[in-house]
Amino acid sequence: DTEVTQTPKHLVMGMTNKKSLKCEQHMGHRAMYWYKQKAKKPPELMFVYSYEKLSINESVPSRFSPECPNSSLLNLHLHALQPEDSALYLCASRNRDYRDEQFFGPGTRLTVL
Amino acid sequence: AQSVTQLDSHVSVSEGTPVLLRCNYSSSYSPSLFWYVQHPNKGLQLLLKYTSAATLVKGINGFEAEFKKSETSFHLTKPSAHMSDAAEYFCVVSDDMEYGNKLVFGTGTILRVKS
Repeated sequence: DTEVTQTPKHLVMGMTNKKSLKCEQHMGHRAMYWYKQKAKKPPELMFVYSYEKLSINESVPSRFSPECPNSSLLNLHLHALQPEDSALYLCASRNRDYRDEQFFGPGTRLTVL
Repeated sequence: AQSVTQLDSHVSVSEGTPVLLRCNYSSSYSPSLFWYVQHPNKGLQLLLKYTSAATLVKGINGFEAEFKKSETSFHLTKPSAHMSDAAEYFCVVSDDMEYGNKLVFGTGTILRVKS
């Protein structure tokens, strides 16, 4: 199984809502990533988990809260988002070495009203 | 610091003609280089990667890329474009960090294939 799955595919939320994005991989990868991608732009790194510990936070606002419950699962909790947070949110995983590629999920299209 | 420059934001070719997407990188280390493709509203799919083995790298769907250290280039080519190749392509360099490597993305090249 060389797949990263993400749910939901689409999410519409108001600025006062709380929601979560979910990402799962069963490749035994020990590093997992959240990216945000705006239209016509490359993905921007948000968070990196390595061996289930948060290793990189790219100065992301606290209204985004990541969680890694186990080595296969990555969540992104959303609260009090702004309309400018509307984007495609991508999850990725990587085996171990920096020479390994990252495997990307299909993304969650988030719209904040 | 590592960086990557994609020299063309848009490339347009006719179906059946060759494709060339250009990428130059800057790296202090021995880099790993990747090409990813993204179709509209989809995730990124790996086309090919270079990790210091053969300098000519073959990927999926007939794509290949050549690592040229002297020119710091990693251009993506395909002999004959297909309509399904229309997408956005990202050249990516991998940063050697201690915990969870970062990928440094180029700004992307949108490939249009005309019938």
